[in-house]
Amino acid sequence: RKEVEQDPGPFNVPEGATVAFNCTYSNSASQSFFWYRQDCRKEPKLLMSVYSSGNEDGRFTAQLNRASQYISLLIRDSKLSDSATYLCVVNTYNNNDMRFGAGTRLTVKP
Amino acid sequence: DVKVTQSSRYLVKRTGEKVFLECVQDMDHENMFWYRQDPGLGLRLIYFSYDVKMKEKGDIPEGYSVSREKKERFSLILESASTNQTSMYLCASSRYGSGANVLTFGAGSRLTVL
Repeated sequence: RKEVEQDPGPFNVPEGATVAFNCTYSNSASQSFFWYRQDCRKEPKLLMSVYSSGNEDGRFTAQLNRASQYISLLIRDSKLSDSATYLCVVNTYNNNDMRFGAGTRLTVKP
Repeated sequence: DVKVTQSSRYLVKRTGEKVFLECVQDMDHENMFWYRQDPGLGLRLIYFSYDVKMKEKGDIPEGYSVSREKKERFSLILESASTNQTSMYLCASSRYGSGANVLTFGAGSRLTVL
């Protein structure tokens, strides 16, 4: 079983839609959680950290469920510019051991 | 802005050739990393370094070596390239301590081994 698993998608949604991605992780001792965004043929960039209490950044909401070992990303009012691959990242053992999911591809259509 | 620069965006090499991938960061970060990214597999850690001349193996170090002679530079070396090393290689850096979780990536080096 992979340490970090994501639905690869693709998710194809119309502009204005709400879309949610989930990510599961296998190590219950995992400490820190993140969502990165990767545009086509570009490098990953940090989108947001995921805090235990859940956190919001504009149209983006991230949540953590430690009991079920998953994190989620909710995007409201999707924009064309949200089209990208979203990578779930879990810091498992120490600050130098970041585990990446394979990514979920989102395409927002007009 | 932190900048991580990878010297080559695209390389084509032949089986058995020695390959150097260079990475330079300009924000005095202690940690540097080399990942490879393959479809369906995500990013996998090859090697990382938390200080000059220090290196640690990641998940897939076989067939690779690294060099960190200066804090800002972390090189990935393929001693004898093979076709299964065709991939996108991503260098990243981060601060030591509380900032270590935030990785800044370079633009990537796409290597094709024929």
